[in-house]
Amino acid sequence: AQSVTQLGSHVSVSEGALVLLRCNYSSSVPPYLFWYVQYPNQGLQLLLKYTSAATLVKGINGFEAEFKKSETSFHLTKPSAHMSDAAEYFCAAGYNQGGKLIFGQGTELSVKP
Amino acid sequence: GAVVSQHPSRVICKSGTSVKIECRSLDFQATTMFWYRQFPKQSLMLMATSNEGSKATYEQGVEKDKFLINHASLTLSTLTVTSAHPEDSSFYICSASSGDREDGGYTFGSGTRLTVV
Repeated sequence: AQSVTQLGSHVSVSEGALVLLRCNYSSSVPPYLFWYVQYPNQGLQLLLKYTSAATLVKGINGFEAEFKKSETSFHLTKPSAHMSDAAEYFCAAGYNQGGKLIFGQGTELSVKP
Repeated sequence: GAVVSQHPSRVICKSGTSVKIECRSLDFQATTMFWYRQFPKQSLMLMATSNEGSKATYEQGVEKDKFLINHASLTLSTLTVTSAHPEDSSFYICSASSGDREDGGYTFGSGTRLTVV
């Protein structure tokens, strides 16, 4: 069965430090891959999306992610964390354009001053 | 950018009553609408998928008679929780898709916090 795994339900970094949130998908066919951010009691906001055009994807708010087929990974990074980055982050995979998404378990990012 | 308006944002209802949640796509045609349920500190759980003018497809374990979904137009989909009980209390989120767009093809509503007392 297709699945998305996010390693680490909670990640804590200091302000200004590197942010690394891990995501692996299980499929031999590279799907569409997404990273979303969710603030408390809100919906999901798209950070970035991979659609096979480029393996390094740049998103909003300084985030980027690199698609690595050999590792079936799509890790999210940001060079320097900001307090406003504290939120829940979800990795998701889509196997058909416009079809249902498969979500990872989510990673809560905390940023310490 | 694409916007999905979800209402209400919060609702408290008495046990046994029904609650309707609306999602409207404001500037695009939502050919497909996804309805999710999210428990605290958990991921999104897909409840059902609906295409405009068709019956919704429910995920395994979701009671279709309890969670009624209507997608009568390309801009409006509704989820009605019938005969709500406290265990139905949750955060419900809709997501609209219209194919390939700049935002990745999916736009999420802001969610509805349902509390059944």
